Parts: sequence; C-alpha cells; structure tokens
Amino acid sequence: GAVVSQHPSWVICKSGTSVKIECRSLDFQATTMFWYRQFPKQSLMLMATSNEGSKATYEQGVEKDKFLINHASLTLSTLTVTSAHPEDSSFYICSARVDQGYSGYTFGSGTRLTVV
Amino acid sequence: AQSVTQLGSHVSVSEGALVLLRCNYSSSVPPYLFWYVQYPNQGLQLLLKYTTGATLVKGINGFEAEFKKSETSFHLTKPSAHMSDAAEYFCAVSDYSGGGADGLTFGKGTHLIIQP
Repeated sequence: GAVVSQHPSWVICKSGTSVKIECRSLDFQATTMFWYRQFPKQSLMLMATSNEGSKATYEQGVEKDKFLINHASLTLSTLTVTSAHPEDSSFYICSARVDQGYSGYTFGSGTRLTVV
Repeated sequence: AQSVTQLGSHVSVSEGALVLLRCNYSSSVPPYLFWYVQYPNQGLQLLLKYTTGATLVKGINGFEAEFKKSETSFHLTKPSAHMSDAAEYFCAVSDYSGGGADGLTFGKGTHLIIQP
C-alpha cells in the first residue's frame, strides 16, 4: 500500500518552455505532498510542501513563480517548471505523508529533467 | 531545526562483510529517524524507521539500525553485504514539532560500494 506514482520518469525540453510533473497517490489520500530536488551525487533538498486545496509553502531560496505547485485534489499534486533553463536540469522527486502523523512518507520514482 | 550528518560519502566493503553506515542527528525534540535506499535514477525506498519504542529497529533486506539517544546516532548495519546492496543510502529526520517544515531533512548520503 501507500504507493505514489510520478510521471514522467524523464523529460527533455527546450530552454524557455514549461514542463509539468505529476505525482499521484494511488491507494490513499495524500493531504500533504512534498517536492524535492536532487542534483547529481547530492542529497535531496526540500523545495516546497503542498496541502490539498491551499497554496504551497516554499522553502527559502525556491522561486515560487518558476516552480508552480498545484495540489487540487487529495490524490494529485503537480509541479510545473516554467520557462525552464539548463540550470533547472535536475532530478525531481515527490513524496507524500502517508498518515496524519510524521512517521510515514512514501516517495515517487522521480523525474529526470534535462533542459537543452 | 534538525540536521543529519552522514559520516563518509563513500563506504566500500567486501561481499559478505559487515556493512556499517553512520548517521548522527541533531533535533530539539525526540526524533523520528529513517533510512532510505536509492538506486540510480529511481526514487527512495524505505529501509526502516524509528519512531518510538524499541531502539533496535529491523528493516528490509536484512538491515537494522539502533537509535542511541545518548550518542544522537542511528547507524545502519547489515551483517553480510550482498552485491545488490550497492546503492546510495540516506538517513533522514522528521520534524513533527509542528513549527517547521513538514518534510524530511536528509543527510548528504553515503554511496555503498560492494567489492566482489
């Protein structure tokens, strides 16, 4: 149980275009989802926390106008990288809190974004 | 705020030897602690977690970890390494104090290399 499906697995886009990444909870309702960014051979850095039906909370240094997060339903959160540039190339991973406590988190399989 | 320190960005062991990956944390509240494994271009898989109760936690694939409050440590061990254990391992702590970010704080990761 508690599976999160993330799509696409990889995407290549041209500089200046926008890319949408989807994260779906398949067998549970995720009131809170998280978006992380991972550079090669580095750790995961939390970008933002999204709660269903409300605005996302962004971590310091993350441009909210560049990384648009929408959590319109209890099973879907999306991250849109707007006007992508090569420096936005990275591995993006979503995560959902499985329960109302803070002891259960499940992760999507990640999206490799390459901006050319 | 909490933080996680993983000692050793790379650990190399022989197949069949003991695996020891070190993790120290700092937290203002009793922590929830996690170990995750990541294979190349994939998401994170939970190995084990500590929330409350027994301080020796057993996880999947023969891994276990012991929470030592006095040492603020949560080291990951496996008695006998397999080639399939070669991957990136992340230690993480959850902030459930309610005042900070909801997501996990990760260590920098340890790349486990298994020598044949």
